[in-house]
Formats: sequence, structure tokens, C-alpha cells
Amino acid sequence: NAGVMQNPRHLVRRRGQEARLRCSPMKGHSHVYWYRQLPEEGLKFMVYLQKENIIDESGMPKERFSAEFPKEGPSILRIQQVVRGDSAAYFCASSPPDRLAKNIQYFGAGTRLSVL
Amino acid sequence: GENVEQHPSTLSVQEGDSAVIKCTYSDSASNYFPWYKQELGKRPQLIIDIRSNVGEKKDQRIAVTLNKTAKHFSLHITETQPEDSAVYFCAASIGDYKLSFGAGTTVTVRA
Repeated sequence: NAGVMQNPRHLVRRRGQEARLRCSPMKGHSHVYWYRQLPEEGLKFMVYLQKENIIDESGMPKERFSAEFPKEGPSILRIQQVVRGDSAAYFCASSPPDRLAKNIQYFGAGTRLSVL
Repeated sequence: GENVEQHPSTLSVQEGDSAVIKCTYSDSASNYFPWYKQELGKRPQLIIDIRSNVGEKKDQRIAVTLNKTAKHFSLHITETQPEDSAVYFCAASIGDYKLSFGAGTTVTVRA
């Protein structure tokens, strides 16, 4: 089991460009979560998705940020018109559909976004 | 919403000594409490977790205790080793799927 895969590991963008972060959950996992981590801070919940559904996006900024988890392919976190304040590490986590294993989340290695 | 507070923010211990990190939570409905270890530049790794139907769980040198009445839980690392140096995060469940994380504790084990 390859674990949760995120790419790219590092992403550099200039202000105003778009950033696309990808996450493939662990095999058999159907729940995906995105978190943002600023330097020396904790993990802040952004969005929770299941296949083709956004379940909870209460942590997502209302503008410029969007997420999807299509029927085929990885989950995508998209940041449009990036600003310097978007610079952070973005982590994806996945959990299995098993009701007994709910809340258990396994993390990917993260994407470190730097906005110049 | 759930508010998780974690203390201390930094902890320095001599190799071989014990380390204790404490967390409090606010939502009495929380029933799952994981701990993650994050080494510099790496992913948070689940090291131990506890559900609300037990008060203590142990895995080799790591143990977690939970006091539901007081709404606090703790991580205990015994016989610390240099490889235990990392940032440790506690978390508490919100509903069936979300986790609320503490701000982290940077543990340094001095050789």
C-alpha cells in the first residue's frame, strides 16, 4: 500500500497564478481531507470530500479556493490568483469507509507552496 | 466548534527521561483522540489513538490517558531517545469525520 500520495512536493508560484495540488488517497479509502499548515502552527481543517461530493468545506476560504474529488483520479485543491499569504504546507489525509474506523486519518507528505 | 488546547508548546528532556504532553478539549461529544508525530519536513504520522470507551492505552514506550470528565488527555513517552525529537500534535474528533488539532508541542531530546 503506497499510502497517501501528494504531488507536487514543492510548488512555486508568482502572485496571481494558479496552484493545483493533487492527492491520491490510500487504496480502499474513500474519504479525503485537506489541511493547511503555516510554519510552526497546527493543522487547520479546510475541506472534507467523498467521491464526487463535497461534504464539509467550512474551513475553506470563500474566494479563490476550490476542491474536488472526481469519480476517477486524484482529489484536487485549486487556488486561483495566489497571494503571498497562501504560502504554506498543504496536507491531504484519507480515511477508510469502514464505520468502525471513522475519524482515523492518514496523511500524505504534503505540498509546500511558495508564492513569490 | 471544538477547541483543542495543547501544552507545553516546547519541551526539552534529557535522553532516558519521560515526556508528557497534555491536551484539553471543549466538545463533550468528542469520542476519538489521536496523536500524531511530525518530523521536520515530513508528514504527520499517527502514533497512537484512544477512543472514549477506554481510559488508557499503551504501545511500547508510548501511552495515552483520557479523562472524559475533565475533558483532557495526555501523551506519555518513557525512556526518551533522540529519535523521539519531533513535533507532536493531539487531536479530538468533531462528529463522525472531522478532527480538530492542537497547536503542537516541539519535543527535543538531549543526548
